[in-house]
Amino acid sequence: EPEVTQTPSHQVTQMGQEVILRCVPISNHLYFYWYRQILGQKVEFLVSFYNNEISEKSEIFDDQFSVERPDGSNFTLKIRSTKLEDSAMYFCASSESGQLNTEAFFGQGTRLTVV
Amino acid sequence: AQSVTQPDIHITVSEGASLELRCNYSYGATPYLFWYVQSPGQGLQLLLKYFSGDTLVQGIKGFEAEFKRSQSSFNLRKPSVHWSDAAEYFCAVAMNYGGSQGNLIFGKGTKLSVKP
Repeated sequence: EPEVTQTPSHQVTQMGQEVILRCVPISNHLYFYWYRQILGQKVEFLVSFYNNEISEKSEIFDDQFSVERPDGSNFTLKIRSTKLEDSAMYFCASSESGQLNTEAFFGQGTRLTVV
Repeated sequence: AQSVTQPDIHITVSEGASLELRCNYSYGATPYLFWYVQSPGQGLQLLLKYFSGDTLVQGIKGFEAEFKRSQSSFNLRKPSVHWSDAAEYFCAVAMNYGGSQGNLIFGKGTKLSVKP
């Protein structure tokens, strides 16, 4: 069964460093998303991406974040100059269309620890 | 603003017992509601969803949920829990009317433990 895969499963980085979280969405999907979950808190929407541009973003998704689909298969989340509070589980998701009746499939997540 | 509340952080039930996980939402219009499950080391998997129509919806793995507009609730139920149901369960509401299933507002989750 096709699935969304995320790498790495766990990344530790020093405060101030840049990190790139990688996701391989399901191959025929066109809509892509990033979410994060700080330990003990809600899963929060960060950004949605379609047709090589951001379609929606939350207040969390500020200038330190960027997304890219560099090669038609990967979908990346870059965090510039990481802060301690960026430590969280980051989930990628993809869906075939942007319609509500189309399921979004989530990856297993990347745990980011900023030290 | 839309929000989702899951009042129970952690629930423990015995194997074979019934289960109900609570979810309350705040949304101005007809909500589009979802339940996801996350097993350890796995991604979020959709259990079921409610868009309209019959207020009792059936999902995978023997789960069902009932939408009650008067109570702003969408509680998840299972008549007989199996040890493999131990996981974290998330209730979610679609962020915007007409938005995609990828734009969701999640609750904090309820961790389910199952006693043998």
